[in-house]
Amino acid sequence: DTGVSQDPRHKITKRGQNVTFRCDPISEHNRLYWYRQTLGQGPEFLTYFQNEAQLEKSRLLSDRFSAERPKGSFSTLEIQRTEQGDSAMYLCASSILDTQYFGPGTRLTVL
Amino acid sequence: GIQVEQSPPDLILQEGANSTLRCNFSDSVNNLQWFHQNPWGQLINLFYIPSGTKQNGRLSATTVATERYSLLYISSSQTTDSGVYFCAAPNTGGFKTIFGAGTRLFVKA
Repeated sequence: DTGVSQDPRHKITKRGQNVTFRCDPISEHNRLYWYRQTLGQGPEFLTYFQNEAQLEKSRLLSDRFSAERPKGSFSTLEIQRTEQGDSAMYLCASSILDTQYFGPGTRLTVL
Repeated sequence: GIQVEQSPPDLILQEGANSTLRCNFSDSVNNLQWFHQNPWGQLINLFYIPSGTKQNGRLSATTVATERYSLLYISSSQTTDSGVYFCAAPNTGGFKTIFGAGTRLFVKA
């Protein structure tokens, strides 16, 4: 499979714990996006990388959230001190130009 | 920032019927995408269509950039067309992509 992959697909954690998600984009895609989607809503932009540079970050991304793309390939999204409001689907997308290809998402449940 | 509005919010069709979904955006765009999210949550890119008309099988899309809207046409709908259709556009001057709230389509057999 040469599509965008995300790991894990599901994560259940207790409030206050830290979690980290991984996204592997389509190889040769230099652009990478993270989104959050809650039930009944469209995806909300979190952050954008071009190669290893984080060029834009949403105000939704509080101090508890951090994302990296250290070598311009895979990316990680970490949430520290999780809260129940962080429960959502976290989506990753990649592109060369403007057409974005999405991964299957990581569903986070915070108890 | 740019606002993206979709209509209708919900749509129920009998298999074989045609439909038109609309996306309005509040600012000029150089990039407009349509996506389908299937019942399992996977988002599939349908069209990249900043202007003009494109067709792919039973689906076609038209964007009139000067009037700030885009239309997605589904002809001879099938039950597998069910899901949520989103349009998305970049925020002016940045890389942030703004999604509409979606149109939830259910096609009855």
